[in-house]
Amino acid sequence: DQQVKQNSPSLSVQEGRISILNCDYTNSMFDYFLWYKKYPAEGPTFLISISSIKDKNEDGRFTVFLNKSAKHLSLHIVPSQPGDSAVYFCAASVITGAGSYQLTFGKGTKLSVIP
Amino acid sequence: KAGVTQTPRYLIKTRGQQVTLSCSPISGHRSVSWYQQTPGQGLQFLFEYFSETQRNKGNFPGRFSGRQFSNSRSEMNVSTLELGDSALYLCASSPTVETQYFGPGTRLLVL
Repeated sequence: DQQVKQNSPSLSVQEGRISILNCDYTNSMFDYFLWYKKYPAEGPTFLISISSIKDKNEDGRFTVFLNKSAKHLSLHIVPSQPGDSAVYFCAASVITGAGSYQLTFGKGTKLSVIP
Repeated sequence: KAGVTQTPRYLIKTRGQQVTLSCSPISGHRSVSWYQQTPGQGLQFLFEYFSETQRNKGNFPGRFSGRQFSNSRSEMNVSTLELGDSALYLCASSPTVETQYFGPGTRLLVL
């Protein structure tokens, strides 16, 4: 059972426009949500995160929105640039009783920004 | 500050063999996690180590094991390799609960 879902495998956006990547989750115990960007042959690069007690976090061109009631989060990239073309992973974190945590990832959305 | 390093970057093994992968975390990070990435299953959590203790383990068979040394470097071992173990194995180190920094991965091919 997929606890974190990215329903759009791919997205194409014109340079300068807004890119919106979506993510849904099912586990209400998740307390942190993160977005990672991945280029081929490289490990994921951390982009931005949000705590479950917030509904918005902004960092430069990247903004993450969290709607807990809908169990939905989204990543907005404004303005989109060709260098943003990559696979974007949504991830959710839960802290276990041992103080440990693990990330559960969605399957990714491939973003293509067209010049 | 140097990032997470993983060795080797590429590896070819045959079924039944065993393999050991190594990860050096970012200096000062005490938590190291391992993930497996395959086209079908995506990124899946293997285990997490903190101060040489395994704190958490994902749903993988006992053939997958790991350890962490006193300098926070970590190794993972896969015994009796199967074709389905072909994957990109990623290591991540973390200073805080909410952020993990990934290495470039080790691509394992099992023939």
